[in-house]
Amino acid sequence: DARVTQTPRHKVTEMGQEVTMRCQPILGHNTVFWYRQTMMQGLELLAYFRNRAPLDDSGMPKDRFSAEMPDATLATLKIQPSEPRDSAVYFCASGPHVVGAPPYEQYFGPGTRLTVT
Amino acid sequence: AQSVAQPEDQVNVAEGNPLTVKCTYSVSGNPYLFWYVQYPNRGLQFLLKYITGDNLVKGSYGFEAEFNKSQTSFHLKKPSALVSDSALYFCAVRDMQVKGDTGFQKLVFGTGTRLLVSP
Repeated sequence: DARVTQTPRHKVTEMGQEVTMRCQPILGHNTVFWYRQTMMQGLELLAYFRNRAPLDDSGMPKDRFSAEMPDATLATLKIQPSEPRDSAVYFCASGPHVVGAPPYEQYFGPGTRLTVT
Repeated sequence: AQSVAQPEDQVNVAEGNPLTVKCTYSVSGNPYLFWYVQYPNRGLQFLLKYITGDNLVKGSYGFEAEFNKSQTSFHLKKPSALVSDSALYFCAVRDMQVKGDTGFQKLVFGTGTRLLVSP
């Protein structure tokens, strides 16, 4: 049963500290999404990668957030420095993009619950 | 611009009764539509999607959704609710008219509707 995995599942940190969240997409999926979920804003798309290249990160605060895919099996989302307003659940999702095909369903990981104090 | 609305924050239904979770959309062209479910402390799970064809789409766990172009709606339904269906449900849309295959599969999600099924 292929799944998206995320680590850590929970992270509590102090304001100003660096936070790194990791995601392992489903093997064979060539697209990765990072979302943030809060009660106030709902589900927001932060960044999107295809074949490890960033296609859109317009939803991400550029001054403190960065997203990368060092290889096809690992995506990272980093916050430096972290702030209390970054407290949220961060989800990674992956999908099998095929050029010209209709949109596919995205497979979500369990999320990382981040609390910044 | 594409958008989706879920007018109900919460839907309450008794076990065994039919349930409907509402979703309306706005796109410039024809839509791709999705329903996802989120159980507590879990990520979103895909339920079903409408791409083209039959307006009644069947999905996982006995759920189905009806695409209604004239009413720009894509309501989620189930004939007989279970207590285990209690969760947060999200509708999402992508506009077919988004040009160019940049591969950008951005979905716009609704705010979610909490379904509570009582025993």
